[in-house]
Amino acid sequence: AQRVTQPEKLLSVFKGAPVELKCNYSYSGSPELFWYVQYSRQRLQLLLRHISRESIKGFTADLNKGETSFHLKKPFAQEEDSAMYYCALQGQGAQKLVFGQGTRLTINP
Amino acid sequence: KAGVTQTPRYLIKTRGQQVTLSCSPISGHRSVSWYQQTPGQGLQFLFEYFSETQRNKGNFPGRFSGRQFSNSRSEMNVSTLELGDSALYLCASSWTGMNTEAFFGQGTRLTVV
Repeated sequence: AQRVTQPEKLLSVFKGAPVELKCNYSYSGSPELFWYVQYSRQRLQLLLRHISRESIKGFTADLNKGETSFHLKKPFAQEEDSAMYYCALQGQGAQKLVFGQGTRLTINP
Repeated sequence: KAGVTQTPRYLIKTRGQQVTLSCSPISGHRSVSWYQQTPGQGLQFLFEYFSETQRNKGNFPGRFSGRQFSNSRSEMNVSTLELGDSALYLCASSWTGMNTEAFFGQGTRLTVV
């Protein structure tokens, strides 16, 4: 079965502090992992995907196959990072995205 | 380039009625997927269409159906509406569907009363 778990529904940190949003997945093969973000009043959009190994807006995520995790990290949070973050899994050769329940990140000034 | 467009943005329907939602993908995108978003269940996959064929289907009852036209525009239909169908319905398009970035629309907010 394909499953994505984001254990924190809410996460609040102060500006300038490090941020880590947790994501664990269950999948028998080699999945593609994504982080999507939804800012207030905006549509859901891709933040980053593990295959590109990019750093977007200061965020990075490393796929740990041993721990089946894909945690999202940023060393210094900014107020504009406040948003809803979704971790998602895509199976091999598939379009279907399996989403976690999401984490609402709030950055306090 | 224009993003994914969903119409209408808001709908209020009565139990037992049916509803049709529309999605216009980004030009050139041939894959369209639909998702249901609710506070309790989160984002759940409904189905995916590619070149007018349904390629994948989620675990939803047969009341939920869809189709895709030759210009890649897609519609989803929900018949015999139930209160539990109240949700935000999101459409996403991508080039081919296979492990490519999905671009989401703003969604259609359906309220069943």
